[in-house]
Parts: sequence; C-alpha cells; structure tokens
Amino acid sequence: NAGVTQTPKFQVLKTGQSMTLQCAQDMNHEYMSWYRQDPGMGLRLIHYSVGAGITDQGEVPNGYNVSRSTTEDFPLRLLSAAPSQTSVYFCASSSSRTSGSGHNEQFFGPGTRLTVL
Amino acid sequence: GNSVTQMEGPVTLSEEAFLTINCTYTATGYPSLFWYVQYPGEGLQLLLKATKADDKGSNKGFEATYRKETTSFHLEKGSVQVSDSAVYFCALSGNTGFQKLVFGTGTRLLVSP
Repeated sequence: NAGVTQTPKFQVLKTGQSMTLQCAQDMNHEYMSWYRQDPGMGLRLIHYSVGAGITDQGEVPNGYNVSRSTTEDFPLRLLSAAPSQTSVYFCASSSSRTSGSGHNEQFFGPGTRLTVL
Repeated sequence: GNSVTQMEGPVTLSEEAFLTINCTYTATGYPSLFWYVQYPGEGLQLLLKATKADDKGSNKGFEATYRKETTSFHLEKGSVQVSDSAVYFCALSGNTGFQKLVFGTGTRLLVSP
C-alpha cells in the first residue's frame, strides 16, 4: 500500500492563479480531510469528506473548494490564489469503522508546500 | 470550542536527557487525546494516543497519561536520542463519526549529541 499520496510536493503560484492539489489513498478509507500548517498555528482543518459525494467545511474553508467523486481521491482547489494561502497542505484519511479503542487513526500524506507570490 | 495548548519551543536537550512537553486541553465531553510527531520534511505520524481518563499511551519510549482532573496530556521520555529531534503536536478529537482533529501549535525538539 502506498498509503496517502499528495502531488505536487512543491508549488509556486502568482496571486490570482488557480491550481489543484491532488490527494489519493489506497486504503479504502471513507473519511478524507485537508489541513493547512502555518508557523505558530499548528494544523487547521480546511475541508473534509465522509464519503464519495459528501463534503463539509472545516475551520478555515474560505478560498478553497473540494469535491469527492471517488473513494480514493480528494482534490483541493484554489480558485484564485492569495499570499495568505502560502502554507504547507496535508491530506489525511481514516476509516469509518471504529476500532476497539473507539478511535480511527488518521493517516497523513507527506504534504505540499505552496508559495503564493 | 475545543482547543489545545502546548509549550512553546524549541526545547533543546542533550542526548540521554529527560524530556517533558506540556499539553493542556479544553473540550466538551470526553475527547480522545493524541501526540503526533513530524520529522523534518515529512508528514505527521501518530506517536501515541489515549481515549479515556487515566489511560496511558506509550510508544518508542514516549509516554503520556490522560489526566481529566488537570485536563492535561504531557509527553515524557526518560532518555532522548538525536533521532528524536522533530516537531511534536498534541491533539484532541471527538469519538464519533468523523473525528476532527484539533491541534496545538507544535513544539520543536532539538537533541544534540
């Protein structure tokens, strides 16, 4: 299993450009999510999905769109990039089947470092 | 709302020193608590977890105990190694449905030989 994969690893954009960050998982997980990591602020949830065709907003959704057409993929779209979106973006996935401890571990991808000039 | 507060870093230690990274939380109900570790250039990995009061999570020599009375989940290791240098995140989540993780700001640990 490759786990959670993200592409690209690095990206530089100009203000106003659009792009899509790709995320895929091969663990047949129902839940997928996007976080951004900023210095001094930890990770914050952008959007998440509990299954194909179902998405919802997290803590910081403005400026980002998501869709979930398949179980495996959960792309994050920046429609008009702004310097405030310079960050490291992490995708994560987890199973909906509750483990014995009642918690479903989230597995993180390696991240995409985005710079918006 | 739910929140996590952890000590600011960096924490600088010599090899074989004792490590404590403090973490306290604010939450409604009975959250699960976690420590994640991020090695340079990598994503986050789950280090340990505890899902109810007085549980002790442990892994790779690290330990943390879920203290409901003090709303704390401090990370400890008796003897750190250079390879433990990383950023450590304390986090909490609910226990039903999609379990949104709420993270602390992270604490960078630097261990010198």
